[in-house]
Amino acid sequence: QKEVEQNSGPLSVPEGAIASLNCTYSDRVSQSFFWYRQYSGKSPELIMSIYSNGDKEDGRFTAQLNKASQYVSLLIRDSQPSDSATYLCAVTNLTGTASKLTFGTGTRLQVTL
Amino acid sequence: DTGVSQDPRHKITKRGQNVTFRCDPISEHNRLYWYRQTLGQGPEFLTYFQNEAQLEKSRLLSNRFSAERPKGSFSTLEIQRTEQGDSAMYLCASSFPGGQGGAFFGQGTRLTVV
Repeated sequence: QKEVEQNSGPLSVPEGAIASLNCTYSDRVSQSFFWYRQYSGKSPELIMSIYSNGDKEDGRFTAQLNKASQYVSLLIRDSQPSDSATYLCAVTNLTGTASKLTFGTGTRLQVTL
Repeated sequence: DTGVSQDPRHKITKRGQNVTFRCDPISEHNRLYWYRQTLGQGPEFLTYFQNEAQLEKSRLLSNRFSAERPKGSFSTLEIQRTEQGDSAMYLCASSFPGGQGGAFFGQGTRLTVV
């Protein structure tokens, strides 16, 4: 079982719609969760972080965390063509000094006109 | 520019040669990570440092790979006797202790082994 799993996509949504990206993780002691956006040929860019159960909103982005289900998601409202990218989910735990970020393979999002 | 800086941006080398990459982290960050990414995959963890101490190294990492962070500032990643399978994007990231606030990536070094 992979530590962090994402559907590779592509996920295609029309402009203006809500894009829903999902991620599951296997390590129950994971404590911090991040979403990164990566454009083709570029490095990952941090867009959201979430540490406690529930929702966290930042502009058009909402991150949702359910630790009991080991599930984290990212909602993008009013999707724009510029949102077309690969979205990477990353998790970390703070067991002792071990806190490397572990990434999923990413979900490719395509926003169509 | 106060972001993470990597050098060089691109490197083409012949199989069997040694290569070295440099990463300068965000100055306030004492944690530094190295990742490798190939097409269609997420970043694969290689190693990380807190200050000058190398805290973890991937068990999948060949002993041809070595990283240093003297004085807890910049870091170097060296690959000895490169192989075609080493061709990838090598990413450096930095963060506050414990990864708080997430890690911020540099622009990466794209390595091509011919």
